[in-house]
Amino acid sequence: QQQVKQSPQSLIVQKGGISIINCAYENTAFDYFPWYQQFPGKGPALLIAIRPDVSEKKEGRFTISFNKSAKQFSLHIMDSQPGDSATYFCAAKLGTYKYIFGTGTRLKVLA
Amino acid sequence: ETGVTQTPRHLVMGMTNKKSLKCEQHLGHNAMYWYKQSAKKPLELMFVYSLEERVENNSVPSRFSPECPNSSHLFLHLHTLQPEDSALYLCASSQGTNTDTQYFGPGTRLTVL
Repeated sequence: QQQVKQSPQSLIVQKGGISIINCAYENTAFDYFPWYQQFPGKGPALLIAIRPDVSEKKEGRFTISFNKSAKQFSLHIMDSQPGDSATYFCAAKLGTYKYIFGTGTRLKVLA
Repeated sequence: ETGVTQTPRHLVMGMTNKKSLKCEQHLGHNAMYWYKQSAKKPLELMFVYSLEERVENNSVPSRFSPECPNSSHLFLHLHTLQPEDSALYLCASSQGTNTDTQYFGPGTRLTVL
């Protein structure tokens, strides 16, 4: 019940296209949902995050859509660029310190 | 230096060795974390310290021993590891609030022979 299921495992998108990554959870006690971006040789870096009382949050080309009733949330990357090629992780937070991460999506944006 | 730093960046050790991983945060945060990142698996939370007190310990084998001497430094002492312990070990820090951001270091790539 503490899992976060992430899909797809890998994604190839043309430059300028929309990249969509989905996550689903079961535990309704999760109260904060961040997305992280990780480049090779680097640690994950926070990209954007949302609380469950908000249905959508947008920051630049990155948007989180949150569906509380379906217990799903997704990351949309508009106008995808080759520099967006990285691994993306969704996560769900339980309490103050516990983060549960998805398995990651490896995104490749073709030039 | 800024952010979260980790040393060494790469470590190769035999199963009988003892080594330590070091993490330092320069962000004034109260909480520090150790994660294990293995290929095709979710990041696994290992330990959390808040103000130098351990607040999470996720059933990690005793061959991993954390130490937090102050709120800026975190160590992971390793002894008699197994090959399946080979992974990227990530340190992170945060303010320790419900909606705070975790800042990760670059990780230590550990290989156990």
